[in-house]
Amino acid sequence: AQSVTQLDSHVSVSEGTPVLLRCNYSSSYSPSLFWYVQHPNKGLQLLLKYTSAATLVKGINGFEAEFKKSETSFHLTKPSAHMSDAAEYFCVVSDPYNNNDMRFGAGTRLTVKP
Amino acid sequence: GAVVSQHPSWVICKSGTSVKIECRSLDFQATTMFWYRQFPKQSLMLMATSNEGSKATYEQGVEKDKFLINHASLTLSTLTVTSAHPEDSSFYICSADMGGPDTQYFGPGTRLTVL
Repeated sequence: AQSVTQLDSHVSVSEGTPVLLRCNYSSSYSPSLFWYVQHPNKGLQLLLKYTSAATLVKGINGFEAEFKKSETSFHLTKPSAHMSDAAEYFCVVSDPYNNNDMRFGAGTRLTVKP
Repeated sequence: GAVVSQHPSWVICKSGTSVKIECRSLDFQATTMFWYRQFPKQSLMLMATSNEGSKATYEQGVEKDKFLINHASLTLSTLTVTSAHPEDSSFYICSADMGGPDTQYFGPGTRLTVL
């Protein structure tokens, strides 16, 4: 069975400083991995996805993530946080051989201080 | 781009009544649709997977007689919460899959409050 673990339930950074949201995955095969963002009372927005192409994936709003098979990690980073980045972030693993069954991590709440 | 809508966006109902939530893929045909539930400050939990024209597959612990799913066409799936109780209050999110690799698109969600 596949799963993801988000290592931090809450991350707080100051505006203009780097963001690191950590995610480790467990999968018996080469997974597809995603990061989604959810602003309060809003739907999910896809930030980026990894699908076995380039290991460094660039997404929207300056976010990027690096797939590291040796570490089974897919951490999300951004060089400089903006106030509008404050939201809930979900790391997701997908099983392309099972109807794209997606499993969500527990989520990381990002707070950005002025 | 692929758009998935849900209706209603929010609903309040009395305990014991049934509520139907619609999920539509607006500009593509969805071979598979998924229903998720998200409790406050928690992650999304997959409830069931449905394929057009066949019975839904429910995740362990999800009561199929309480959460009725109908996927009558390639653009519409419905989730009916029967005999709703306050503990069913949650954010219900659907997603629709186009059938290719990593082609799942999420709806905006429906917030259900059961009084």
